[in-house]
Amino acid sequence: RKEVEQDPGPFNVPEGATVAFNCTYSNSASQSFFWYRQDCRKEPKLLMSVYSSGNEDGRFTAQLNRASQYISLLIRDSKLSDSATYLCVVNFGNEKLTFGTGTRLTIIP
Amino acid sequence: NAGVTQTPKFQVLKTGQSMTLQCAQDMNHNSMYWYRQDPGMGLRLIYYSASEGTTDKGEVPNGYNVSRLNKREFSLRLESAAPSQTSVYFCASSVLGGDTEAFFGQGTRLTVV
Repeated sequence: RKEVEQDPGPFNVPEGATVAFNCTYSNSASQSFFWYRQDCRKEPKLLMSVYSSGNEDGRFTAQLNRASQYISLLIRDSKLSDSATYLCVVNFGNEKLTFGTGTRLTIIP
Repeated sequence: NAGVTQTPKFQVLKTGQSMTLQCAQDMNHNSMYWYRQDPGMGLRLIYYSASEGTTDKGEVPNGYNVSRLNKREFSLRLESAAPSQTSVYFCASSVLGGDTEAFFGQGTRLTVV
C-alpha cells in the first residue's frame, strides 16, 4: 500500500462547479499535511497547508481527519485556471515530504 | 529573487554516460532535496540533505550520488546512466525539513537512450 494515496482522476468538471478530492495516508503519526498544485510540465507549488481545525483560503477549503487518516480539498466556483494536478503531501515526522501521485483536474468551459 | 535554480533544463544521455545535475537556492534554506517524477508514480525522493554537511538516502537512491557543496548548492550525479533513469528531476529546498513549504526548481527533463 502506498503511504499517500490519491484518486488519479481525471476529474472533468464544468466551470463554476464544486469539486472535492480526498487523500489517505498510512501513518497515524504523520505531522504535517499540504496540498500542492502542479501545472502541466511545471514544478509543484504549495497551494495550502492543512491544519487540524481545517482551513480556508478563498475558494479553497482543506480538511484533516486524523481518526480516518485522510485529508480533503474542496474547490468552490471552479475557474478554468484551476485546471492542474493536485498533489497531496504528508510529512511523516521526519525531514522529508512524501507525495501522492496526484489528482488531475480539468475545468470545462 | 531567483529561488531554486536547476541546470540543465533538458539533457539526452547515452546509456553508460555520466552527468551531474546542478541545483542552487538563494533563500538561505537548510534542507534540500532531489526528486524524480515519472508518469503514474508521483514524485519520489532520491536523496535529501537536512543541513549543510549531511546527506541521506530517500526512497529511490540506487544509481545516484549527491553532494551538498555548501548551504546553497546540492548536486545530483548519475555515474552510469540507464534508460530506467529517464525521468523529470526536481530539486527543492525548504527552511527546515518537512514541516515547512518546499520550493521547487523548474525541473530537468532527462532522457537516457
